[in-house]
Amino acid sequence: ELKVEQNPLFLSMQEGKNYTIYCNYSTTSDRLYWYRQDPGKSLESLFVLLSNGAVKQEGRLMASLDTKARLSTLHITAAVHDLSATYFCAGSQGGSEKLVFGKGTKLTVNP
Amino acid sequence: GAVVSQHPSWVICKSGTSVKIECRSLDFQATTMFWYRQFPKQSLMLMATSNEGSKATYEQGVEKDKFLINHASLTLSTLTVTSAHPEDSSFYICSVRAVTSGEKLFFGSGTQLSVL
Repeated sequence: ELKVEQNPLFLSMQEGKNYTIYCNYSTTSDRLYWYRQDPGKSLESLFVLLSNGAVKQEGRLMASLDTKARLSTLHITAAVHDLSATYFCAGSQGGSEKLVFGKGTKLTVNP
Repeated sequence: GAVVSQHPSWVICKSGTSVKIECRSLDFQATTMFWYRQFPKQSLMLMATSNEGSKATYEQGVEKDKFLINHASLTLSTLTVTSAHPEDSSFYICSVRAVTSGEKLFFGSGTQLSVL
């Protein structure tokens, strides 16, 4: 059974700083997803990582995947207030589209 | 634009009543849709997989008689919370994968259910 653990669960950072959110998973995951959720809103797809060594970047966010370590990271560069949200990673298994989510990381970027 | 339309966005109902939530895939067909539940400040938990033209597949611990899923067409799945109780109050979200989007999964806008 796939389990996904995220840390930290809460992250408060200043604008302009860099930080990384970590996502560990317990067994082989076919795909690793990163989502953003604003309060009271649904999920916005950020990245889908399919293979070992995959790296994707969009704006100040960069996601990577190490399947051997069963680890994905979401790196935030020079944070801005607009990045404040909850970020979830999720894995899927066995070719399924059913996702197993981490608990989420609530990011607050302070001016 | 939106790929998945979910509604209502929020609903308040009395205990004992039933509530229907719709999830529509826009501009594409979806033989499979997924229903998730999210309690306040918690993660999303998969409730069931909705299969067009056949019975839904429920995750362990989810009561199929309480959460009725109907996927009668390739663009619409509905989740009915029957005889709702306050503990059913939650944020319900559907998801769909559009073939043209590659590996991306799209989520509906979510439905906040409050049972009084």
